[in-house]
This record gives sequence, C-alpha cells and structure tokens, in this order.
Amino acid sequence: SAVISQKPSRDICQRGTSLTIQCQVDSQVTMMFWYRQQPGQSLTLIATANQGSEATYESGFVIDKFPISRPNLTFSTLTVSNMSPEDSSIYLCSAPTGRGTEAFFGQGTRLTVV
Amino acid sequence: LAKTTQPISMDSYEGQEVNITCSHNNIATNDYITWYQQFPSQGPRFIIQGYKTKVTNEVASLFIPADRKSSTLSLPRVSLSDTAVYYCLVGDMKPGGYQKVTFGTGTKLQVIP
Repeated sequence: SAVISQKPSRDICQRGTSLTIQCQVDSQVTMMFWYRQQPGQSLTLIATANQGSEATYESGFVIDKFPISRPNLTFSTLTVSNMSPEDSSIYLCSAPTGRGTEAFFGQGTRLTVV
Repeated sequence: LAKTTQPISMDSYEGQEVNITCSHNNIATNDYITWYQQFPSQGPRFIIQGYKTKVTNEVASLFIPADRKSSTLSLPRVSLSDTAVYYCLVGDMKPGGYQKVTFGTGTKLQVIP
C-alpha cells in the first residue's frame, strides 16, 4: 500500500498571502489529484496533476488561483494564491494504488485564512 | 461521471449489521463501484470495490445487483469506531489504473452504544 504525506498538516494564514502544500508519495505514480473539503462537506476535485504536463483543472478552479507543480513521479505541490477567508478548507492530495480505481489519500492540510 | 445518491445519515446500535445503499442509475459499462470511509480530520480510506454481484473482504461486503444501478455496503456488527462518513463512488477503470472520481454527499454513520 502507498503512503502519502502532506505538509503542512495545518496553517493559519493572512488574507492576500499564498500557501504551498506539499504532497509526497512513497512510490511512483502517474497521476496525483488535489481535492478540497469544506467543513462538513464532501470532497471536491480541484485538479489532476500529471508528471511532465500541465495540470487539468475542474470547472470552477483556475491555474492562477491554484497553481500546481509535478516535478517528478512522487511529488506534487498545490499553491493557494491570494487567499481569502472563503479558501478556508481542508486540502487533500490523492494517488492511485496501482490496482485499479482505488486511491490513497493524504491526511489533509487544514487551512484557515484570517 | 455517474452521479451517486446515498442517505445523508444513519444511526445504528453497536453490534448490529449496517447496510448503506447507494444509487447510481447512470453507471457506465466500464465503471467500478468503490466505497471509502472517512474519520474526522483524516483523508478518506478505501474500504471495498466491486463491479458486479458480491465482494467481501475482512471489513465489509458489497452487494451489486445485476443491473448495477445501485449497490449496498454491508458492515457486520458495527462498533463505536465505525462512526464515520461513508462515500460511494463510481468511476471508470482506464488502462494504467486510476481515473478521477466524483465524491457524492456521503452517509454519516453514527454508532450508538
């Protein structure tokens, strides 16, 4: 089974600033996914990060606001830019196990914007 | 992507069997059905996956009727530690494995002593 580590686990940020969240997988994976989960809500997919190409964003999410890097097959970052209180949420990264449509998730990054 | 519908919440007493049903009327031929469990302050955790009929592992069973328009997650003899949100997902299995999936609302299961 894969292990996914996210950093930081939580942060409190000032509005207008940016935060970069790191996601490290202990094995090489082709695709990584970034989700947002607002308090008490389900998960919403932000984007798919493929190594060697630009990330693919879901409707309602744009690269200028959520730039993503994928420098290699085990690592990805998500930046939340020019933050506002509405960006307060839990951000999770996910990667496949290689056995099919199962996926592992990181423990999430709890972001509070004040 | 097929949309899923499941109850918002369920309560159960300890020791009882819990069945959570998920509707996915628009499931496609290549779609698999996967269930995840999420505890507070943690990422979702894979429970079970199936394509048709019945799948059983050490923690749960998954029942899928022939038309595949619904599925039922069965948790035998739940304990307090099974209190969590359970998500039903339907997604395509492409070559190379994982395809992005859409999380539905989930079912919040509360196990009562």
